[in-house]
Amino acid sequence: GIQVEQSPPDLILQEGANSTLRCNFSDSVNNLQWFHQNPWGQLINLFYIPSGTKQNGRLSATTVATERYSLLYISSSQTTDSGVYFCAVGYSGGGADGLTFGKGTHLIIQP
Amino acid sequence: GAGVSQSPRYKVAKRGQDVALRCDPISGHVSLFWYQQALGQGPEFLTYFQNEAQLDKSGLPSDRFFAERPEGSVSTLKIQRTQQEDSAVYLCASSLSTGGIEAFFGQGTRLTVV
Repeated sequence: GIQVEQSPPDLILQEGANSTLRCNFSDSVNNLQWFHQNPWGQLINLFYIPSGTKQNGRLSATTVATERYSLLYISSSQTTDSGVYFCAVGYSGGGADGLTFGKGTHLIIQP
Repeated sequence: GAGVSQSPRYKVAKRGQDVALRCDPISGHVSLFWYQQALGQGPEFLTYFQNEAQLDKSGLPSDRFFAERPEGSVSTLKIQRTQQEDSAVYLCASSLSTGGIEAFFGQGTRLTVV
């Protein structure tokens, strides 16, 4: 199956700093999503981005499908950005349509 | 409903007990997925439904795990004769269609087997 590697595993930053989270995957995909898991365990959808670039406020993401990686950028970090960020990928076909998740990046933003 | 709804939010089961976890997907969503998330790990795929048809159950860890979606909406994940290693958060997700479409997750059910 598809392998997903996220880096770094842990990141501690001061409020106001910028950060880049990386997701590498081992095979062709037609689904890539970034999630933020809040302290209550809810997976919040950040981006659906199988290719290209998207921006939403202080967050943006880029996926280069041909090179099998995606980047999540967080600018001007706030303490509420703390939590675990997951990248998940999938390839639908032949009856399969699930996501494979990476192990996540645990982000701590200190005031 | 507005989002994916799961119940109960928390479940404590004695080892050997059977449990049933419920998922209410977003109205009209064709695809429904179950995932298992162990502490400190990313979610892992369990099974996938397209309407009422279970198209992929390759992630179910044993034959004690069973899922159904009889009318193509609400789904139930059943675990028979629970064991301690079944302790995890069980997440349900749904998507509007098939073919790599954005999935939305519920808040999960945290199962603790004692």
